[in-house]
Amino acid sequence: NAGVTQTPKFQVLKTGQSMTLQCAQDMNHEYMSWYRQDPGMGLRLIHYSVGAGITDQGEVPNGYNVSRSTTEDFPLRLLSAAPSQTSVYFCASASRVLNQPQHFGDGTRLSIL
Amino acid sequence: AQSVTQPDIHITVSEGASLELRCNYSYGATPYLFWYVQSPGQGLQLLLKYFSGDTLVQGIKGFEAEFKRSQSSFNLRKPSVHWSDAAEYFCAVGDEYSSASKIIFGSGTRLSIRP
Repeated sequence: NAGVTQTPKFQVLKTGQSMTLQCAQDMNHEYMSWYRQDPGMGLRLIHYSVGAGITDQGEVPNGYNVSRSTTEDFPLRLLSAAPSQTSVYFCASASRVLNQPQHFGDGTRLSIL
Repeated sequence: AQSVTQPDIHITVSEGASLELRCNYSYGATPYLFWYVQSPGQGLQLLLKYFSGDTLVQGIKGFEAEFKRSQSSFNLRKPSVHWSDAAEYFCAVGDEYSSASKIIFGSGTRLSIRP
């Protein structure tokens, strides 16, 4: 039972570099989301998707891109990393069946120098 | 604006003592409410959820929460805490008109257990 798998678990980048955080789920969930978690601020929604080919912005989308070409995968791209993007990133998935909660990955800890 | 407030940033209780973590929400529609727990270095695990019906909901690990519409609250309780309950706890809210992707989280309460 893999659930939601995030890779890598840790990453250090230099300012201006780009990278992609990977997220995959094997539960055939329609909904997927990306959050960032910063101290004292809980989780803030970056982007979300309600199905393959459909994405939308959350609370804090600037500096991030997403795509959803398959049901299973929902990668998050940092186009030009900035120190303000140092955070822990969580991917989550959920079934579209009413009343189903989100399932979370274990997170990616990203540091931007 | 929709929001979730967890007024206690950090709480310390003795092992075996009772626990109550506070959560207040502001939401225009009928709220769907959740409590999640996060152990260090881990993702979030769902403790319990409320959608409708009985306002006292039971969750995993001996936790329960009570929905009080008049107070816009959804406080989490446990009669007797164990050292393994030390973690961060998040309250979250959504509604039946938004997808499960759009859940608003509180800022969290860190629980420490005194031996």
